[in-house]
Amino acid sequence: SAVISQKPSRDICQRGTSLTIQCQVDSQVTMMFWYRQQPGQSLTLIATANQGSEATYESGFVIDKFPISRPNLTFSTLTVSNMSPEDSSIYLCSVGEGDNEQFFGPGTRLTVL
Amino acid sequence: EDQVTQSPEALRLQEGESSSLNCSYTVSGLRGLFWYRQDPGKGPEFLFTLYSAGEEKEKERLKATLTKKESFLHITAPKPEDSATYLCAPSGGAQKLVFGQGTRLTINP
Repeated sequence: SAVISQKPSRDICQRGTSLTIQCQVDSQVTMMFWYRQQPGQSLTLIATANQGSEATYESGFVIDKFPISRPNLTFSTLTVSNMSPEDSSIYLCSVGEGDNEQFFGPGTRLTVL
Repeated sequence: EDQVTQSPEALRLQEGESSSLNCSYTVSGLRGLFWYRQDPGKGPEFLFTLYSAGEEKEKERLKATLTKKESFLHITAPKPEDSATYLCAPSGGAQKLVFGQGTRLTINP
């Protein structure tokens, strides 16, 4: 299985600022995904990031708020822009190939004051 | 709209007491149903993918089964280290997973 790392592991930010989260995979993968897990809740897909194309956002998520980069087959970033306390969540990246398996990173715990 | 319901929300068992977790789903064109284990403060850990009704998969004390509307995660003779939140997530394609709320399992020694 792919080994996925995320940076930072946690952060505390002031409202109105932005944070960029990095996701690094130890092998080349076609599909990468970004999820949000709000406190006490399950995971919600934010967007799908494929290398060489614009990210595809799910309903309720927009590029201006969550810009995503996918410069190569092993790396992606998610930026949480103009943060408010409601953005306090765990943000997770995942990778998958076909319909077989999808593996998750350890997550980034974000607290917005 | 795709929907997933997991039950029970929480389950407390004694060590060695077997039980089952339920995942009911409504997904158009199911491509696969994923099961994960999530420990506090960590990302979900992949367990199984099931693809068609009647399929079963096993891993240690866990066995997952699939019907056209439900999936079950059977836990046989659990140990305290099996305590975690178990998540199911059907996929209607392009690996877009729709997660249930999870079942929080506690195994008492």
